[in-house]
Amino acid sequence: EAGVTQFPSHSVIEKGQTVTLRCDPISGHDNLYWYRRVMGKEIKFLLHFVKESKQDESGMPNNRFLAERTGGTYSTLKVQPAELEDSGVYFCASSPKGGTNDPVYFGPGTRLTVL
Amino acid sequence: LAKTTQPISMDSYEGQEVNITCSHNNIATNDYITWYQQFPSQGPRFIIQGYKTKVTNEVASLFIPADRKSSTLSLPRVSLSDTAVYYCLVGPPRGSNYKLTFGKGTLLTVNP
Repeated sequence: EAGVTQFPSHSVIEKGQTVTLRCDPISGHDNLYWYRRVMGKEIKFLLHFVKESKQDESGMPNNRFLAERTGGTYSTLKVQPAELEDSGVYFCASSPKGGTNDPVYFGPGTRLTVL
Repeated sequence: LAKTTQPISMDSYEGQEVNITCSHNNIATNDYITWYQQFPSQGPRFIIQGYKTKVTNEVASLFIPADRKSSTLSLPRVSLSDTAVYYCLVGPPRGSNYKLTFGKGTLLTVNP
């Protein structure tokens, strides 16, 4: 079974540009999460989808970040316009619907560098 | 969620048993203790979870004293490939689909 995949693995953009990160969760997982680690900091929660609905977006830093999960399958995280402090590693994770004993499964992350 | 405190880094040699202790003095009655492992250029990976006493799986053991204010992750006979960052988290059990709160983790370096 394929794990959580993310694209691209690394993106380098200039300040002010737009970047879109994509996450494909494990097939059948209703829950999809975005986390990020900026330089020197801990991994922080950004938001949580249950299928196509945003369950918790309390971790989104500001309105330059937009996450979508149309159709409840893959998700995108758009940063527009990107700022220097957005540099870091963005992780996507997924888990099955509640009531199982499964943990959260993380993808390899997308490293974003804003110059 | 309860804050955790763990060593910033640890070094060991191949074949040794490694114990990483995590403090969580403010753990709530309903909180579980979960450990994640993260290799370079990868996302965190669930290792083990427990509520009290001892839990063992094919990867590690988790020891939790009666007061649950700390826990110890034990890795038997580590190899070079066990070099990673290990995170201790406290919160709802797996399957509850709640957001995870990561601390700084412990960088374990296994030397030949």
